[in-house]
Amino acid sequence: NAGVTQTPKFQVLKTGQSMTLQCAQDMNHEYMSWYRQDPGMGLRLIHYSVGAGITDQGEVPNGYNVSRSTTEDFPLRLLSAAPSQTSVYFCASSPSEFAGGETQYFGPGTRLLVL
Amino acid sequence: KQEVTQIPAALSVPEGENLVLNCSFTDSAIYNLQWFRQDPGKGLTSLLLIQSSQREQTSGRLNASLDKSSGRSTLYIAASQPGDSATYLCAYYSGGGADGLTFGKGTHLIIQP
Repeated sequence: NAGVTQTPKFQVLKTGQSMTLQCAQDMNHEYMSWYRQDPGMGLRLIHYSVGAGITDQGEVPNGYNVSRSTTEDFPLRLLSAAPSQTSVYFCASSPSEFAGGETQYFGPGTRLLVL
Repeated sequence: KQEVTQIPAALSVPEGENLVLNCSFTDSAIYNLQWFRQDPGKGLTSLLLIQSSQREQTSGRLNASLDKSSGRSTLYIAASQPGDSATYLCAYYSGGGADGLTFGKGTHLIIQP
């Protein structure tokens, strides 16, 4: 049981490039989410999903897309990277159908630098 | 915009001391509150989850309390050890708006051997 895995661990992009941050969980969790963590700020919710085929926007969704074709995977796509998207990105999952039902499990994070 | 404030932002104490980390929030309609631990370069690990109907939760040397009416939670760490050094985050869930947790900025804790 690997829990929540994220790839890559670190990525450098140039402004305007696109990329996909991968997130997978092997716990059959319904709820999955993406957060970004910036210095001096709390984690902020980007997008979330309450099950396969269902996604919704969080607090800071602009510039990001998500999809949930399977229960296991929840990729985050940056359409055209900007320096403001330099951050550490965390994926999380929960066995509940919503964020607050039970403990959330976080992945190790992806550190993204946009030049 | 609802906020979570964690005080102090940083704390350094000698090994063996008991300590208290504070978390205050402005949202009066929280559903539950969680305390997480974050080690450098790592993800978050959930320590304790307190439902709004509960007053406290305990796990080993950790005890978390919740006073919903005053908008406060505390994390008590007994007999601190160098391995407790980490950043501690509190986050609540209210169920309103986007379905996610609202996080504080964290308390960076160093336990001196």
